[in-house]
Amino acid sequence: SQTIHQWPATLVQPVGSPLSLECTVEGTSNPNLYWYRQAAGRGLQLLFYSVGIGQISSEVPQNLSASRPQDRQFILSSKKLLLSDSGFYLCAWSSPLSGRAAGEQYFGPGTRLTVT
Amino acid sequence: AQTVTQSQPEMSVQEAETVTLSCTYDTSESDYYLFWYKQPPSRQMILVIRQEAYKQQNATENRFSVNFQKAAKSFSLKISDSQLGDAAMYFCAYALPGTASKLTFGTGTRLQVTL
Repeated sequence: SQTIHQWPATLVQPVGSPLSLECTVEGTSNPNLYWYRQAAGRGLQLLFYSVGIGQISSEVPQNLSASRPQDRQFILSSKKLLLSDSGFYLCAWSSPLSGRAAGEQYFGPGTRLTVT
Repeated sequence: AQTVTQSQPEMSVQEAETVTLSCTYDTSESDYYLFWYKQPPSRQMILVIRQEAYKQQNATENRFSVNFQKAAKSFSLKISDSQLGDAAMYFCAYALPGTASKLTFGTGTRLQVTL
C-alpha cells in the first residue's frame, strides 16, 4: 500500500531564516506530487505541483520554491521566511494515470509552520 | 477560473441523526470530478467520497452519500447515522481530469456531533 510522509511535524522559525520541508511517498512510482498551504480556519491553496523529476509548476507567486530531486521526494523551500508564510503545509500525491483513474489525491500528515 | 463555495461555516448534528452539507461550484467545463474531504482534529485530509460529472448516479460510501445536481452545479454531502468520529472539517473540492489533477477547495464546513 502507498504511504506518504512529511517532516518535520511542527516547526517554529524566525523571520528571515531558511525553510526546508520534505515529503516522501512509498509504494508507488512516478506519482504526481502537490504542496498545499492551509491558513488558519481556511481551505487549502495549491502552491506547487510536479508530474515528474525536476518538473515543477507554480500556482501562486510567493516567497517559496519547490524541488523534486527524486521520483518520490518533494521539497518545499524558502531562502528567507516571512511572517505571512505561517500556516499548515500539506503534501499530497495522486496516481500518474490519466483519464478516469485520475483525480483522487492522498494527503500526508502535514507540517505546522510558525514564523516568529 | 473554477470556484467552490461552501456557505455553511458550521453545522451541528445529534448522534445517529442525518446531516447534509452544501457545496456549489462554478465551472464552464462539462467533464470534471468532485470530492468531499474530511479533516479531523489531527488535520490529515481524508478522502470521503468522489463523484465523476459524467455519471448521473450519485456516489455512496457506506453512511456517506452525495446529491449531485449538475445543472444546478450543486454537490451536497449527506451523512447518515452520524457518529462522534464524524466531527471534523469537511471540504468540498473540484478537479479537472488530466495528467495532474489540481484540486480547488471550498472554505470548509465544521461539523459538530453532539450526544
